Amino acid sequence: DAGVIQSPRHEVTEMGQEVTLRCKPISGHNSLFWYRQTMMRGLELLIYFNNNVPIDDSGMPEDRFSAKMPNASFSTLKIQPSEPRDSAVYFCASSLGPSQETQYFGPGTRLLVL
Amino acid sequence: RKEVEQDPGPFNVPEGATVAFNCTYSNSASQSFFWYRQDCRKEPKLLMSVYSSGNEDGRFTAQLNRASQYISLLIRDSKLSDSATYLCVVNPHTDKLIFGTGTRLQVFP
Repeated sequence: DAGVIQSPRHEVTEMGQEVTLRCKPISGHNSLFWYRQTMMRGLELLIYFNNNVPIDDSGMPEDRFSAKMPNASFSTLKIQPSEPRDSAVYFCASSLGPSQETQYFGPGTRLLVL
Repeated sequence: RKEVEQDPGPFNVPEGATVAFNCTYSNSASQSFFWYRQDCRKEPKLLMSVYSSGNEDGRFTAQLNRASQYISLLIRDSKLSDSATYLCVVNPHTDKLIFGTGTRLQVFP
């Protein structure tokens, strides 16, 4: 079975541009998580969905960040406008349910904002 | 204080050595605990859960001390392939996992 799929794998953009990251969770998984990882702050949860509904977005840094999950097999994380401090690796993860602690991570998107 | 704290390392050990990592957590109501492994430029993957009575998986042993709020990971007979970052993960009785910043292990020949 395919694991969590993320695209693009790498993104280089200029400050002020819109960035859209995409994620396809494992089929049958009901919970989806977006994380950001930096050297300084480690892995931080940005937002998570259960059954396509956003449950907790308290980790979203500011209004420039938004996430959607229009159906069970697709989610996006958008940054508009992007800033250099947004440079990080963004991971999407999925699990069977909200309390299923085994989360399966995608390969991540490496974002560099110049 | 961070919710989950780990020594960042790096721990540089020769093949065959035994190495131990500790991790402390701040929320005494935390219910479940895990170690994830992350290889360089890869995604985190579950290594093992940590149970109250301690548990072992081959060369890996995990232990939990609720009174002192720390968990540990012991790796025996280290292999070159064990080189990675080990993330301590805690579920503070919510739907979310809290990840430590990781301890880097480098095993050399």
